[in-house]
Parts: sequence; C-alpha cells; structure tokens
Amino acid sequence: SQTIHQWPATLVQPVGSPLSLECTVEGTSNPNLYWYRQAAGRGLQLLFYSVGIGQISSEVPQNLSASRPQDRQFILSSKKLLLSDSGFYLCAWTQDITGANVLTFGAGSRLTVL
Amino acid sequence: GQNIDQPTEMTATEGAIVQINCTYQTSGFNGLFWYQQHAGEAPTFLSYNVLDGLEEKGRFSSFLSRSKGYSYLLLKELQMKDSASYLCAVLDSNYQLIWGAGTKLIIKP
Repeated sequence: SQTIHQWPATLVQPVGSPLSLECTVEGTSNPNLYWYRQAAGRGLQLLFYSVGIGQISSEVPQNLSASRPQDRQFILSSKKLLLSDSGFYLCAWTQDITGANVLTFGAGSRLTVL
Repeated sequence: GQNIDQPTEMTATEGAIVQINCTYQTSGFNGLFWYQQHAGEAPTFLSYNVLDGLEEKGRFSSFLSRSKGYSYLLLKELQMKDSASYLCAVLDSNYQLIWGAGTKLIIKP
C-alpha cells in the first residue's frame, strides 16, 4: 500500500531564517506531488506541483521554492522566511491528475514564523 | 474568476441529519470532491461526484447538479466524531483542484 510521510510536524522559526520541509511517498512510482498551504479559516492554496523529477510548476509567486530530486521526494524550501509564511503546509500525491484520482495528504507541517 | 462557496460554520445535534451545501463557478468541470478535515489534521477523502445525482456511502451521501453548479454533503445519524471541517473542491477544465474555504461542523450532544 502507498504511504506518504511529511516532516517536521511542527516548527517555530524566526523571520529571515531558512526553511526546509520534506515529503516522501512509498509504494508507488512516478506520483504527481503537491505542496499546499492552509491559512486559518481559508481554503487550501496550491503552492507547487510536480509531475516528474526536476519538473516543478509554481502556482503562486513568493519567496518559497520546491524541488524534486528523486521520484518520490518533494522538498519545500525558503531562504528567508516572512511572517506571512506562517501556516499549515500539506504535501499530497495522486497517481493521475484526471478524473476521480483522489489526493492523499501527508500529516502536515505547522509553521510559525516569529 | 473561479469561486466555490460553502457556509463557514454549521451546528447540529448528535443523532440528527445535516446538509452542507457547496456552490461553484469554475472554468469547466471534471468532478467534485468532498474531504473531511479534523482540527490540526490533514484532509481525508469522502466522496467524488462527476455525474448528476446522489452517491451514498454509509452515513454520508453526496449530491451533484452540474446545471445548477451545486452539490451537498448529507451526514446522517451524526456522531460526535463527525465534528470537523468539510471541504468542497472542484476539478476544473485544466484538471486543477479549486478548493472552498471549508465548513466547520460543530456537533452538540
């Protein structure tokens, strides 16, 4: 069966510090991978998605970046965090972008920038 | 622009029935999803509708009317564990998921 791991679960970072969130998927190959952010009381905001190694599409211009160094690994990074980067970050995967292919989410990473 | 509307919060009583509505205006339509999200946790899949009508899955049912741009999630025999946010999401013509802000459902004993 497929599983998705995301870490760290919680982190508190000062403004201007770097960020690295990591996500890995097991039990499948060539998944479509996504990074979402969820601010309090708001819908899920798609940040990045990837259909293959080294292929990253950015949905929202900001100080965040994503990389996919391996087939089942997706990393979200920032060189300098802003207060507005605080939120709940969710990694997700699906096998196919079309039709009824369900998004499966990791447990999430709650980031607080102080 | 693309838009999905759902009520911000609803309250219901344990054992009762509640209907959570979702209306959408999107660029094309390739299906509608409902997800459940408990506080502090990740969303989990509940249902998918692509054709008009009602899909039943245990205590939960989901309805879709494509001509009206409307869906609802029906929860029967409410239990305290059903207290959560319910997210409506539409797959548009580019196969991008458009998310609603979610409906927080509070269950009272």
